[in-house]
Amino acid sequence: QSALTQPASVSGSPGQSITISCTGTSSDLGTYNLVCWFQHHPGKAPKLIIYEGGKRPAGVSNRFSGSKSGNTASLTISGLQAEDEAEYYCGSYVGSSTFYLFGTGTQVTVL
Amino acid sequence: QVQLQESGPGLVKPSQTLSLTCTVSGGSISSGDYYWNWIRQSPGKGLEWIGYIFYSGGTKYSASLKSRVIISVDTSMNQFSLSLSSVTAADTALYFCARLNIHTAMILDSWGPGTLVTVSS
Repeated sequence: QSALTQPASVSGSPGQSITISCTGTSSDLGTYNLVCWFQHHPGKAPKLIIYEGGKRPAGVSNRFSGSKSGNTASLTISGLQAEDEAEYYCGSYVGSSTFYLFGTGTQVTVL
Repeated sequence: QVQLQESGPGLVKPSQTLSLTCTVSGGSISSGDYYWNWIRQSPGKGLEWIGYIFYSGGTKYSASLKSRVIISVDTSMNQFSLSLSSVTAADTALYFCARLNIHTAMILDSWGPGTLVTVSS
């Protein structure tokens, strides 16, 4: 199975909302509702910000929200802030054979 | 709060074996609730799952790397390790270790900061 597909970059102005898509196939995202989203600032550990498609771990801002429809998952960042500038990856458990797939990554730029 | 930290050589020669260790603190690697994973990010590319180990020694590897990867665990040291043989420049990457919660939606809930490994003569 191939990597999940994300746009290479998304940008927005402070206060705006942006949405990042993560597209898979009927065999992975279409079968499993276990999509996670990770935020990665260079030099730091990636941080889990969304799991099971739309749940937020404790301590994660409610400006981050997730959803899934069919083979595509989405991450929305509302009220964009300078600190949100980072790389964002989707990822999902996709069954015992392939086990885990990541997205290609999206660089978010705050203008 | 569990913390993970990768360690190992930053430079490996082509055809040699890359060896990294992940030290877990603030939690026991012997918990039956987690798989312990290696993941990498090659320059200009996305994340790639390499494989995991369970505390009892059970493993699973990515099909594309399976022939060159061994992941081992040392419960007494609360560490697990990655060995990748016959490396080439394509194995140059930022290597992460991460914990996957088996019982909560298979989530990678804790990661190390990563260690950069360059394959070059």
